[in-house]
Amino acid sequence: EVQLVESGGGLVQPGGSLRLSCAASGFSFSTHWITWVRQAPGKGLEWVANTRGDGEEKYYVDSVKGRFTISTDYAKNILFLQMDSLRAEDTAMYYCARMSGYCRDYGCFSTHYFDYWGLGTLVTVSS
Amino acid sequence: VMTQSPASLSVSPGERATLSCRASQSINSNLAWYQQRPGQAPRLLIYGASTRATGIPARFSGSGSGTEFTLTISSLQSEDFALYYCQQYNNWPPYTFGQGTKLEIK
Repeated sequence: EVQLVESGGGLVQPGGSLRLSCAASGFSFSTHWITWVRQAPGKGLEWVANTRGDGEEKYYVDSVKGRFTISTDYAKNILFLQMDSLRAEDTAMYYCARMSGYCRDYGCFSTHYFDYWGLGTLVTVSS
Repeated sequence: VMTQSPASLSVSPGERATLSCRASQSINSNLAWYQQRPGQAPRLLIYGASTRATGIPARFSGSGSGTEFTLTISSLQSEDFALYYCQQYNNWPPYTFGQGTKLEIK
């Protein structure tokens, strides 16, 4: 059974840092990309960043480039999001999600939609 | 840009609901639909514009390609009243979501 469990959220002052974790089970980072999606209070969903399971490819939404870093502990199947220079507008529930994919003899590929989600961890940026 | 309509929709249990999603440029069939119940994480309903995800009831159906897409829920059940989001994954990054449609009980 695929499970994703986020942790590390909390209250932080503007300009501060926070590191989110997502412990994944039921699948391997060797076969799937993983992603972070956030949702500000009362707002819609916003994709934040994604990475290949081995961390060799990473992409970010423009609003977090240079401030957030996505990474993985490939051996332990844990996804991280290091968030620096936090702003009030970063306040949101942060979800990690698995990106669906498939494997062939010549490699594994993502199909780019998000098929399993964690319950989320809340980040509040406020003084 | 993904635009969903209407922003909210009131429908009686047992009736049909039709939700729309429009893309500002062609995304082929690279569109997913997600359901989000209050206080819960999103759940994948449809991918590839029309393929139901594992475990999703047959009353959920998706259609469309290019720029116009529809999610239809036939014979609404109480648990279907929720928020629904469309998401394009054709032109990434970024992956973009619509602003959501809130399906309410009439």
